[in-house]
Order: sequence, then structure tokens, then C-alpha cells
Amino acid sequence: EVQLVESGGGLVQPGGSLRLSCAASGFTFSNHWMYWIRQVPGKGLVWVSRIKYDGGFTSYADSVKGRFITSRDNAKNTLYLEMSSLRVDDTAIYYCARDYSSVPDHWGQGTLVTVTS
Amino acid sequence: QSALTQPRSVSGSPGQSVTISCTGTTSDVGGYNYVSWYQQYPGKAPKLVIFDVTQRPSGVPDRFSGSKSANTASLTVSGLQADDEADYFCCSYAGSQTWVFGGGTKLTVL
Repeated sequence: EVQLVESGGGLVQPGGSLRLSCAASGFTFSNHWMYWIRQVPGKGLVWVSRIKYDGGFTSYADSVKGRFITSRDNAKNTLYLEMSSLRVDDTAIYYCARDYSSVPDHWGQGTLVTVTS
Repeated sequence: QSALTQPRSVSGSPGQSVTISCTGTTSDVGGYNYVSWYQQYPGKAPKLVIFDVTQRPSGVPDRFSGSKSANTASLTVSGLQADDEADYFCCSYAGSQTWVFGGGTKLTVL
């Protein structure tokens, strides 16, 4: 069974940094591109980033480009999102998701990031 | 990277069919056949119900179907059941290795 478990969320001040992790199991992690997607509670989903299966390519939404970095450790079956220069409007639930044919198929349960002073 | 447009809410009675639209542009929905749909219950993670415009993942009932015409994709839920009541989001590839989601539609089963 595919399982994705996010962690690392919490409370952070504007301008601060945070690193999210996503532990994957139940599939061959190193064969799949992966996504980060966020959602303000009660609002819509927003694509944040995608990373190639070998970590050799990443893409980002304009709203996070230059502030967020997505990486992965295939030996540890773990996906990361390094967030810096955080803003109040980065407050959201952050989901990791597996890619299947250029579509996010399986999603984790999410981790909440709250940016507030 | 503007969000795709979905109606805020739709409703139907048990047994009826409802269709949820998802309107984009030629740069996303109209330009690629990478449209997917997700069902989300409150407090839960989204679940994929349609991918590649019309394809259903294994385990998703055939009451869920997808289509596309020009810049608008649609999700139809037929034979409505109480547990179809949820939020539904569309998603499209938008070129240059970017993706865009819709704002979501609340489906109410009357």
C-alpha cells in the first residue's frame, strides 16, 4: 500500500525557515517524480513544486520560486521541502504526492505550516 | 498560473447525475490531456478519481466519468449517493513543468 507521511510543520515567524519531510513507503520511491501541493484550510489546492525521480530536475510555482527548495534522498525514501523567507500567505497544509503519468495520484495526510508573528 | 474556474457548489438528489465544470485556457486544460479530478472529504487528503481527462483509477466506481471540450473539462457523477458529498478539485498540466488546480466545488447530496 502506498503511504506518504509528511512532517515538520509548525508555527514560524514571517521571514523564518522550515523544512518539511515526506516519508514514502509501499512503492519504489526512486522511480517516481514527486509533488508538493498546499491548501489553505477551507480553500483550494495550489501546486507548489515537482521533482524528478533522481532529483535532477525541479520546478516551482512563481509564488515560491527563489524561496523554496525541493530535494529528495532516495536512499531514505524521503522527499523534502526547504522553505525560507516565509510569508503569512505561505500558511497552509502542505501535502506531498506521488506522480503517475504527470498526475498527482497518491497523497499524504498533510502537515500544517502557520506563519504568524 | 491562474487557478482554473469551477462552480463553488452543485447539488443533486440521490440517484441523479451532476456535472462539475472546470474552465481554463489553451495554455492548460485546452492544451493538454493531463486533466485530473480529486475528491476530498473535510479534514482528509484528496483522492484521485479521474486522470488523463477520462481515465478512472482502479477502485473508483464507473459512476464517475470525465470529459473535455475545448478549454473546459467536466466531471460527471451519476447515480448520486450520500457518500459522494465532498469537495471536488480539478487539476491540469499548464506547460513548462507547472500544474494548476481549480478552486474546488462542493457537491451536496440533497
